[in-house]
Amino acid sequence: QKEVEQNSGPLSVPEGAIASLNCTYSDRGSQSFFWYRQYSGKSPELIMFIYSNGDKEDGRFTAQLNKASQYVSLLIRDSQPSDSATYLCAVKRQGAQKLVFGQGTRLTINP
Amino acid sequence: GAGVSQSPSNKVTEKGKDVELRCDPISGHTALYWYRQSLGQGLEFLIYFQGNSAPDKSGLPSDRFSAERTGGSVSTLTIQRTQQEDSAVYLCASSFDRFSYEQYFGPGTRLTVT
Repeated sequence: QKEVEQNSGPLSVPEGAIASLNCTYSDRGSQSFFWYRQYSGKSPELIMFIYSNGDKEDGRFTAQLNKASQYVSLLIRDSQPSDSATYLCAVKRQGAQKLVFGQGTRLTINP
Repeated sequence: GAGVSQSPSNKVTEKGKDVELRCDPISGHTALYWYRQSLGQGLEFLIYFQGNSAPDKSGLPSDRFSAERTGGSVSTLTIQRTQQEDSAVYLCASSFDRFSYEQYFGPGTRLTVT
């Protein structure tokens, strides 16, 4: 079992709809959780991080964390074609510095 | 300000040769990370430097891989006797310090071993 699991997709969503990206993790010692966006041929860029149970909102993006279920998700409201990218979920264990990444979900927003 | 820079952007080398990859972190950032991204393995951690502390080398895949960070700034990742499975994009990231949540990634070096 991989430490961080994501559905590789592709996930296809119509423009203007809500895109929902999911991630599960196996290490209960994980303390902080990250969503990175990676455009094809580019390096990852941080969208959001979350470390408390519940929701965290930033503009069109909402991260949701449920530590009991070991589940973190990213919602993108009013999806735009420019949101088409691979979304990487990453976790960091308490006391550690390295990020452990999932394989990523490829998201396509259809105009 | 300037972001993380890496050189070269692309490197093609023959199997068995040594290569050096360079990373220049964001000025003032004390934490520096190397990751690599390949099709089969995704994005995986290699090594972490924090200030003058001993580096965390737990992600290095074999003793052919080594890295150093001189003067707390520029870092070099060296791969000796390259193998075809070393082909990947090598990404460097930096953060302000070990307490920072944000890691900022450089553009990467695409290494191809023929």
